[in-house]
Amino acid sequence: EVVMTQSPATLSVSPGDRATLSCRASQSVGNNVAWYQQKPGQAPRLLMYGASTRATDTADRFSGSGSGTDFALTISGLQSEDFAVYYCQQYSNWPPYSFGQGTKLENK
Amino acid sequence: QPQLVESGGGVVHPGGSLRLSCAASGFNFKDYGMHWVRQVPGRGLEWVAIIRYNANSEYYTDSVKGRFTISRDNSKHMLYLQMNRLRSEDTAVYFCARKKGVGWFDPWGQGTLVTVSS
Repeated sequence: EVVMTQSPATLSVSPGDRATLSCRASQSVGNNVAWYQQKPGQAPRLLMYGASTRATDTADRFSGSGSGTDFALTISGLQSEDFAVYYCQQYSNWPPYSFGQGTKLENK
Repeated sequence: QPQLVESGGGVVHPGGSLRLSCAASGFNFKDYGMHWVRQVPGRGLEWVAIIRYNANSEYYTDSVKGRFTISRDNSKHMLYLQMNRLRSEDTAVYFCARKKGVGWFDPWGQGTLVTVSS
């Protein structure tokens, strides 16, 4: 089973800042990583797939990078609506599909 | 616009059963694999099960094998999760999600809460 580990657990940033969220896989998953955004009381929303391809409607201030075991989601010019929890997910080796434990992006 | 709407959640005693439903619209349901994912309130996401587009295979996370059954009715655009022998640790919000591409999840339903409690 592939374990996905996200860091940090919480990231305190201010609007306008740049935020980088990290995700590490316990074994190589190629570029088979997706990122999701979840706001309180809402379902997760796909942001990124293939490690670096933006989903439809994902703003271009979001960018993804990485391959193998180390991945990152970068948000440039943070806006108020970006404060949420972000999850990475691998779909290379399944079952099971696995998610990271999440990074909460909070307003400093 | 693809849309998924779950229903069937509620409160059930340990050892009891519940069937969740997920109604799909806005896309060719029969062409897509479908997932169930759950989330304990305030915690992270846990994948539960997947069924292929034609229902010829299913896979489960270990903790639900032998207790949960995923199924679908392509004629009705419906996905189901039959949950038997429920435990307190099954308490969670259950989301259905469409499998896209080689394995990401998009879109997700709004979720339905299952509470297992005596």
